Amino acid sequence: NAGVTQTPKFQVLKTGQSMTLQCAQDMNHNSMYWYRQDPGMGLRLIYYSASEGTTDKGEVPNGYNVSRLNKREFSLRLESAAPSQTSVYFCASSGGVGEKLFFGSGTQLSVL
Amino acid sequence: GQSLEQPSEVTAVEGAIVQINCTYQTSGFYGLSWYQQHDGGAPTFLSYNALDGLEETGRFSSFLSRSDSYGYLLLQELQMKDSASYFCAVRDGGYSTLTFGKGTMLLVSP
Repeated sequence: NAGVTQTPKFQVLKTGQSMTLQCAQDMNHNSMYWYRQDPGMGLRLIYYSASEGTTDKGEVPNGYNVSRLNKREFSLRLESAAPSQTSVYFCASSGGVGEKLFFGSGTQLSVL
Repeated sequence: GQSLEQPSEVTAVEGAIVQINCTYQTSGFYGLSWYQQHDGGAPTFLSYNALDGLEETGRFSSFLSRSDSYGYLLLQELQMKDSASYFCAVRDGGYSTLTFGKGTMLLVSP
C-alpha cells in the first residue's frame, strides 16, 4: 500500500548542478503534480500532468522541467540549480485534475 | 487568478473547539478543500465542500458559503495530535488544479 513514493528524501546541491526528483504512484491515477513548499508560502504548483502524455505549467515553472514517463511515474528535473530552489518538494496524484490529492512524503532540497 | 486568505496561526487548549476560516477570490468556483499537514510530513486530505452547508467527518467539520466566498474548518474535542498546519484550497474550474492558501498553524496546548 505504497501510494505516492518520491525519491530522494534529502538532497544537497551546489549552484549549477542538476538533478532529477523521481515520483511514482501505484493508485492508477491519471493526474500527477509537483508542488514546492516554502515557509509562509503554502504549496505552489510547479508543473502537473493531467494524463499520461501531457504536461502543463503551474504557478512557478521557471527553472524546472518535467517528464511523464508513463502513467505511474512523473519526474521533476532541475537543470541548473539555484539557491532560490531551496525548498521542500512534494509530488502528488489524483484520479482527475482538481480531485482529492494524495501526496508523497517530500524531498528536502538545499542548494548552496 | 485565485487568492485565499486564512489566519497564519491559531492557538487552543485540549478539549476545546476551534474554527479556522478561509476566504477566497476566484474567477470561477467548483469547491473548497481542506488539508492537514503535521510538521515534517505530507499534506493529507480532510474534506471537500462543493455545495453550501456543513460536512461532518468525526471530530472535524467543514462549512461553505458560496455567496460569501467563505468557508471554515471546525475541529472539536481538540487533541494534542491536532497540532498541525491546515490549508484550504480552491478549485476554480471543472478540470482546474487546486490552489492552496498559505496555511494556518494550529497549536494545541494541554
